[in-house]
Amino acid sequence: NAGVTQTPKFQVLKTGQSMTLQCAQDMNHNSMYWYRQDPGMGLRLIYYSASEGTTDKGEVPNGYNVSRLNKREFSLRLESAAPSQTSVYFCASSEWAGGLQETQYFGPGTRLLVL
Amino acid sequence: AQTVTQSQPEMSVQEAETVTLSCTYDTSESDYYLFWYKQPPSRQMILVIRQEAYKQQNATENRFSVNFQKAAKSFSLKISDSQLGDAAMYFCAYCFATKVIFGPGTSLSVIP
Repeated sequence: NAGVTQTPKFQVLKTGQSMTLQCAQDMNHNSMYWYRQDPGMGLRLIYYSASEGTTDKGEVPNGYNVSRLNKREFSLRLESAAPSQTSVYFCASSEWAGGLQETQYFGPGTRLLVL
Repeated sequence: AQTVTQSQPEMSVQEAETVTLSCTYDTSESDYYLFWYKQPPSRQMILVIRQEAYKQQNATENRFSVNFQKAAKSFSLKISDSQLGDAAMYFCAYCFATKVIFGPGTSLSVIP
C-alpha cells in the first residue's frame, strides 16, 4: 500500500497563475483533508471532505477550492496564486469509528513557492 | 473554541536520556482523540502515539508514553532512552468529529 500520495512534490508559480495539487489514498478512508504548514505554526486546515460527495471549509479556505473526485482522490486548486500562499501543503485521510475520527495519515507534502 | 498549546518551542536532550514535551488543550467535549505527531527534516508527518479521551490508561508505544490528565487538559509526551533519530518537530493535536487542531510544535534536538 502506498498510503497517501501527493503530486507534485515541489512547484514554483508566478503570482496570478493557477494550479491543482493532487492527492490520492489507497486505504479506503472516507475522510480526506488539506492542510497548509507555515514556519513556526502547526498545520492549519484549509478544506476537508468528510465523505465522498461532500466538502467543507476549514480554518483558512480563502483563495482555494477543492474537488472530491471519488473516494480515493481529493484535489486542491489555487485559481490565482498569491505570495501569501507560499507554504507546504499536506493531504491527509482518516476513518471514523464510534462517531469519532481516528488517526489521520499524511502524504509527503507539496512545497509551493509563489513569486 | 478549541485550542492546543505547546509552551516549549525548542527542547534538547542527551542521547539515552529522557525528555518530556508538554501540551495543553482547551475543549468542552468529553470524548475526543489526542495525538502526537513527529515531523523529521523529511517533512513527513508520522504518528507517534494516540490517546482516546475516554480511556484512563495512558497510551504507550515502545519508548514513547503519554501522561494524560483529562481534568487538567494536559497531554505530555515522554521519550525514554532518546536516540539521534528522535530529533524532529513534535506536534500535539486534538481531534473531535471533523475538527482537528494542531499545536505550534516543539523542536527537539538530541545531543550525542
